[in-house]
Amino acid sequence: QQPVQSPQAVILREGEDAVINCSSSKALYSVHWYRQKHGEAPVFLMILLKGGEQKGHDKISASFNEKKQQSSLYLTASQLSYSGTYFCGTGFYSSASKIIFGSGTRLSIRP
Amino acid sequence: AAGVIQSPRHLIKEKRETATLKCYPIPRHDTVYWYQQGPGQDPQFLISFYEKMQSDKGSIPDRFSAQQFSDYHSELNMSSLELGDSALYFCASSSGDRGVKNIQYFGAGTRLSVL
Repeated sequence: QQPVQSPQAVILREGEDAVINCSSSKALYSVHWYRQKHGEAPVFLMILLKGGEQKGHDKISASFNEKKQQSSLYLTASQLSYSGTYFCGTGFYSSASKIIFGSGTRLSIRP
Repeated sequence: AAGVIQSPRHLIKEKRETATLKCYPIPRHDTVYWYQQGPGQDPQFLISFYEKMQSDKGSIPDRFSAQQFSDYHSELNMSSLELGDSALYFCASSSGDRGVKNIQYFGAGTRLSVL
């Protein structure tokens, strides 16, 4: 049931772009994206819902392919502050409120 | 803006002891979630409450129990602690009865070390 994230890790230079993917074997109702820095709380980035509704930050974009049960997070013109581990969380029709997180993608940005 | 408050921030216990973690949600949030995160791992869902009733249950050991009180704060009680319980415990809160469509906001976490 745990979603699969790829890549597991990526290293970028400042200003480069990155795409993080999240795929599920079960039909998705919602996808949640978070960024977590070491030892800190996960910070909400974006939520995408079946039917096209989405909420998030202006500088973050993401897509949700309901048929393929996949979501992608797009990071453009990366900044040093983008470093951290990105988690996707998936919500299913059968869940009342439970979100299951993927194993994370570690992003490192170098000057 | 007010955030989710967790206490204590750090807790050190011996094996077989008990621990109580507290979570105060963002004002006017009525749903609370508990997660456990081991080193280098993803947050694992434990349990959630909506309007003081258990909403969903994950991989929470039988030694753990939780509840949400009338002021919406929540407590996670952990008994017969084991070394493997050492982890970061996060509480998150959200507003409204939208289930998995709710945006969850996380607290800073409680780091539990079991010696």
